[in-house]
Amino acid sequence: DVVMTQSPLSLPVTLGQPASISCRSSQSLVYSDGDTYLNWFQQRPGQSPRRLIYKVSNRDSGVPDRFSGSGSVTDFTLKISRVEAEDVGVYYCMQGTHWPATFGQGTKVEIK
Amino acid sequence: EVQLVESGGGLVQPGGSLRLSCAASGFRFSSYWMSWARQAPGKGLEWVANIKEDGSEKYYVDSVKGRFSMLRDNAKNSLYLQMNSLRAEDTAVYYCVRGGERGSDYWGQGTLVTVSS
Repeated sequence: DVVMTQSPLSLPVTLGQPASISCRSSQSLVYSDGDTYLNWFQQRPGQSPRRLIYKVSNRDSGVPDRFSGSGSVTDFTLKISRVEAEDVGVYYCMQGTHWPATFGQGTKVEIK
Repeated sequence: EVQLVESGGGLVQPGGSLRLSCAASGFRFSSYWMSWARQAPGKGLEWVANIKEDGSEKYYVDSVKGRFSMLRDNAKNSLYLQMNSLRAEDTAVYYCVRGGERGSDYWGQGTLVTVSS
């Protein structure tokens, strides 16, 4: 299975400051159709996962534009330009290029 | 509005069986791959299984292969996960997910399965 490695695993951030989460895969995530199936999910405390970003850099409907995704092949990043209180939670990267889909360990974002 | 509502979770003894259901609404159910994912208490996320739009193809992760079976009823907009020979390590919140591994977007609120004697 493809191993997804996130860092850091814990991210204390000051309100209004930027945050960045790294995700690396053990294999290329470029699929045979040319797309890269790397998603980012947010899981707020007590809630189910919510997709924020799909195919590396596409924001889902309703996702604030302070969230952005970037990267390619095996190296990916989720950035929050200015952290707000509602961003507290655990963030997961997920690859859907190879079966089975696999997730990173999760990065816990908290307010300092 | 897309809604996925899981049910059927509960406490079951090791070796027992349980059937989870997912009621879908707000989209054309028969046009989507559907999936199940799970999350052990306090742990990360794990993909479990996929089923094609018409039910003709199904894929399972190795840890559940031969024990879990995924079904769908497009006439009832419903998805099912039949879980047999349950083990302690199957204890988790089980989520119904719209889409396959390449197109998953919406997740339900989850149903808790506890395998314990």
